[in-house]
Amino acid sequence: DVKVTQSSRYLVKRTGEKVFLECVQDMDHENMFWYRQDPGLGLRLIYFSYDVKMKEKGDIPEGYSVSREKKERFSLILESASTNQTSMYLCASRTGTWNQPQHFGDGTRLSIL
Amino acid sequence: QQQVKQSPQSLIVQKGGISIINCAYENTAFDYFPWYQQFPGKGPALLIAIRPDVSEKKEGRFTISFNKSAKQFSLHIMDSQPGDSATYFCAASKLAGKLIFGQGTELSVKP
Repeated sequence: DVKVTQSSRYLVKRTGEKVFLECVQDMDHENMFWYRQDPGLGLRLIYFSYDVKMKEKGDIPEGYSVSREKKERFSLILESASTNQTSMYLCASRTGTWNQPQHFGDGTRLSIL
Repeated sequence: QQQVKQSPQSLIVQKGGISIINCAYENTAFDYFPWYQQFPGKGPALLIAIRPDVSEKKEGRFTISFNKSAKQFSLHIMDSQPGDSATYFCAASKLAGKLIFGQGTELSVKP
């Protein structure tokens, strides 16, 4: 079974802090994704990566950046956390074949105070 | 710009009943329509998916109905069980494109 592991289940940070969310997958998947999940808004794509060191903006990239130095690891960075970034963050991975399922981690509940 | 609209936002069904969740999309270039199921405290997982060349796909108690002319697709859960209680997301994508998710439907199946 594919395993996507997010480093923290819950995280509390302060406004203005630089925040790192880590995601690791164990299936050698080419594609990795970061989403945020908010009630009534569904899942919205922040950034995705097709390969190591490659990244593309999703629908809501403002205030975020990403890093993919190794194939199995995809990091989401909040450069200067703000209260409107309080949310559930979900990481996913997928093979390079477009119609294969995305495999999600269990999420990080991030609160910015 | 919400390209996939999902309804209802929440749904309560009695055990044994039929649960129906609807989605409508705008972009006629969408070519792949999956449904994801999410249990509390877990990430979403693919439940069933359809391409627009077929009007229906069934897997066990779960059926996707697809209406290309109306740009709508729906998930039917037959003989709904309490274990089906979860949040369901429809999604759509263009070939090799990113997934666009609907807003989600919280399903509760009462015993």
